[in-house]
Amino acid sequence: GAVVSQHPSWVICKSGTSVKIECRSLDFQATTMFWYRQFPKQSLMLMATSNEGSKATYEQGVEKDKFLINHASLTLSTLTVTSAHPEDSSFYICSASTGPGKLFFGSGTQLSVL
Amino acid sequence: AQTVTQSQPEMSVQEAETVTLSCTYDTSESDYYLFWYKQPPSRQMILVIRQEAYKQQNATENRFSVNFQKAAKSFSLKISDSQLGDAAMYFCAYRRSGGSNYKLTFGKGTLLTVNP
Repeated sequence: GAVVSQHPSWVICKSGTSVKIECRSLDFQATTMFWYRQFPKQSLMLMATSNEGSKATYEQGVEKDKFLINHASLTLSTLTVTSAHPEDSSFYICSASTGPGKLFFGSGTQLSVL
Repeated sequence: AQTVTQSQPEMSVQEAETVTLSCTYDTSESDYYLFWYKQPPSRQMILVIRQEAYKQQNATENRFSVNFQKAAKSFSLKISDSQLGDAAMYFCAYRRSGGSNYKLTFGKGTLLTVNP
């Protein structure tokens, strides 16, 4: 299957700093990538849909100024958590689609904000 | 809006036995995909099985099979000959067909424990 690489796997940062998470499709071109957030023992919640060359579409309740998404190429989407606070601590997962029935997930990033 | 419901927060099964995880969904679409994903402690999302709504035949993948009832909007997962490695969180998911930008909607998950 297709491979989606996500980095870093985990990151610890101080409150008020910004953190960037990268999501790469290694062996296919992804016009659309998705960013999810997962709290402990909960399901994945879609944050935004990232489209190459255009602005991301954010789900209701997600602050677009706090969670900046850039999809500048067909193989790379980034999520930047700006001015991170402890409540932003979570597991973030990206996914990319190769077709309507095929979605592949990155390995996730655990963000801990101190 | 599409919704996915998993009514069993936790399930347990004895090793080598069979277990069925339930999932129902709601949609007004006629063409869509349904998925079961496994999330072990590593938290990597692993595709277990996929079903295309227009196909009447139930999908199977080795020890994993589904019972897809389109009229009832039910999509259960059966795990046969359960193994210790099957222990994980299982998520049922729905995706509308027709475009790569359609999102995946997840249920709340079922935590499966396999007892030796």
